[in-house]
Amino acid sequence: AQSVSQHNHHVILSEAASLELGCNYSYGGTVNLFWYVQYPGQHLQLLLKYFSGDPLVKGIKGFEAEFIKSKFSFNLRKPSVQWSDTAEYFCAVGGYTGRRALTFGSGTRLQVQP
Amino acid sequence: SQTIHQWPATLVQPVGSPLSLECTVEGTSNPNLYWYRQAAGRGLQLLFYSVGIGQISSEVPQNLSASRPQDRQFILSSKKLLLSDSGFYLCAWGARGLAGGRETQYFGPGTRLLVL
Repeated sequence: AQSVSQHNHHVILSEAASLELGCNYSYGGTVNLFWYVQYPGQHLQLLLKYFSGDPLVKGIKGFEAEFIKSKFSFNLRKPSVQWSDTAEYFCAVGGYTGRRALTFGSGTRLQVQP
Repeated sequence: SQTIHQWPATLVQPVGSPLSLECTVEGTSNPNLYWYRQAAGRGLQLLFYSVGIGQISSEVPQNLSASRPQDRQFILSSKKLLLSDSGFYLCAWGARGLAGGRETQYFGPGTRLLVL
């Protein structure tokens, strides 16, 4: 069975600080990897995704994530956060074949202070 | 473009009452459909998924059931709600049949259910 771990439950940063949120998964097969974001009062939105190819993927709003297969990791990064990045971030893993429902991490709440 | 709707947005129900949450998708055909629940402070837990009309797979034993009476309609139901059914329920759709098994899921606005 798949599992996803997000080790940072609550992160507080000042504006312009760099961000890295950890995500590790356990699954032996080929996976699809996602980061979703939920801004306060809004619904879950796709931030970026990885299917194959270049392990460094770029998403919306200056976010990027790097897939490191040997570490089963898919960490989210942003070089300089803004107050508007305050949100909850979820890492998710989907199967490549068969069952494609997503397994989510427990989420990381990011608070950016102006 | 595709859109996904859920209603109601908020629901307060007494213990033991029935439940019906609806999800509809526009702008796509034959999607995979999913119901997730998000409990406070926790990630999303998959409840049900459907790959076609009348085809429902359940992920966890529970007090809830799902149905897919039409291609783009997915309903979450309960005959008798429990306190533990409180939570945030999200519907999602995934584009099916893409090459190589790649599917991206898109989520609806959710329904917040409070069982008292």
